[in-house]
Amino acid sequence: GIQVEQSPPDLILQEGANSTLRCNFSDSVNNLQWFHQNPWGQLINLFYIPSGTKQNGRLSATTVATERYSLLYISSSQTTDSGVYFCAVEPWDSGSRLTFGEGTQLTVNP
Amino acid sequence: NAGVTQTPKFRVLKTGQSMTLLCAQDMNHEYMYWYRQDPGMGLRLIHYSVGEGTTAKGEVPDGYNVSRLKKQNFLLGLESAAPSQTSVYFCASSYGTGDRQPQHFGDGTRLSIL
Repeated sequence: GIQVEQSPPDLILQEGANSTLRCNFSDSVNNLQWFHQNPWGQLINLFYIPSGTKQNGRLSATTVATERYSLLYISSSQTTDSGVYFCAVEPWDSGSRLTFGEGTQLTVNP
Repeated sequence: NAGVTQTPKFRVLKTGQSMTLLCAQDMNHEYMYWYRQDPGMGLRLIHYSVGEGTTAKGEVPDGYNVSRLKKQNFLLGLESAAPSQTSVYFCASSYGTGDRQPQHFGDGTRLSIL
């Protein structure tokens, strides 16, 4: 099956810093989503981005489907950005099933 | 707008007991999914459904059964709970594939098997 690798596994920032999270995948995909899992365990849908670039406030994401990677940018980080960020992909032949990476644990200190 | 609602939010079971987790969505989505999340890991697909009356196996289906009798509901059953099934369970729904629609997730059910 498809492999999804996220890096770095852990990231510690000071409030106000910028960061880039990476997601590599091993095969062509129909769909790619970025999620934030907050400290209460809720999964927040950040971006649906099978290709191209999208921005939402301080967050933006870019997916280069031909090179099989996606990047999530967080600018001017805040303590509320803390949590785990997951990348999930839907392979072309999966019939809409998502495969998740293992996540990046982000800690933003005040 | 409720979105995807999961009940219960927490449950503790003894080994061998049975239970059913309920997922309800009010977005008229065709596709529904059950995932489990173990500590330090991403989500893994248990079972899914591409429409009312249909179900299919995901990555980790053993020990679980599902039913989709109504379009808006997707039930996950544990017939004889085992400690290895201690996990957080997430339900999701989407319009489906083809038009590249995102999946929307519920808040999860935390299940402990003693």
